Amino acid sequence: AQTVTQSQPEMSVQEAETVTLSCTYDTSESDYYLFWYKQPPSRQMILVIRQEAYKQQNATENRFSVNFQKAAKSFSLKISDSQLGDAAMYFCAYKMNYGGSQGNLIFGKGTKLSVKP
Amino acid sequence: NAGVMQNPRHLVRRRGQEARLRCSPMKGHSHVYWYRQLPEEGLKFMVYLQKENIIDESGMPKERFSAEFPKEGPSILRIQQVVRGDSAAYFCASSQPGQSEQYFGPGTRLTVT
Repeated sequence: AQTVTQSQPEMSVQEAETVTLSCTYDTSESDYYLFWYKQPPSRQMILVIRQEAYKQQNATENRFSVNFQKAAKSFSLKISDSQLGDAAMYFCAYKMNYGGSQGNLIFGKGTKLSVKP
Repeated sequence: NAGVMQNPRHLVRRRGQEARLRCSPMKGHSHVYWYRQLPEEGLKFMVYLQKENIIDESGMPKERFSAEFPKEGPSILRIQQVVRGDSAAYFCASSQPGQSEQYFGPGTRLTVT
């Protein structure tokens, strides 16, 4: 069975600095997707970034980028120029590629990110 | 374009009562997923539905829980004879056919007293 592990329960970063959140996963599949979701205090789950396993290029969305190491089964999230609004729980998630929308997300337990002014 | 809608946002039930949670997917989305989040935990998959079909219910408890997504109207997650252990946040997500991303609603926080 696939599993997702986030080894950092809590992280802290100074405003305007850079922080990296770690995620590792276990799977025997070669074709899958990886995601980072943000859950602020409102509890709304917000999609931050998506990576397709068969793409070697790391995904980037504005200040958010990932370091995808397929062989190591590692998928870290880097947040540059941290802002107060980035404070939230961050969840790493895995989804097998059955073709399109089939398949559920498997989540890690999350990392709570605090941003200090 | 309205996002995924869930109601109610908060629901309080006494032990033994029934809880009904509703989810309206984003416009154009015909795939719905339900997840449960216990305190201090990540989300756990419960069930995946398409219109009038349950595709995968491998995460659903065998008893008391059921889900539907009728041809017309929202998807419903029903919990019969609730117990204190059912207290959690229940999230619905939706996606378009052929799309890998799932978009989440704001969740329903169920409290069983």
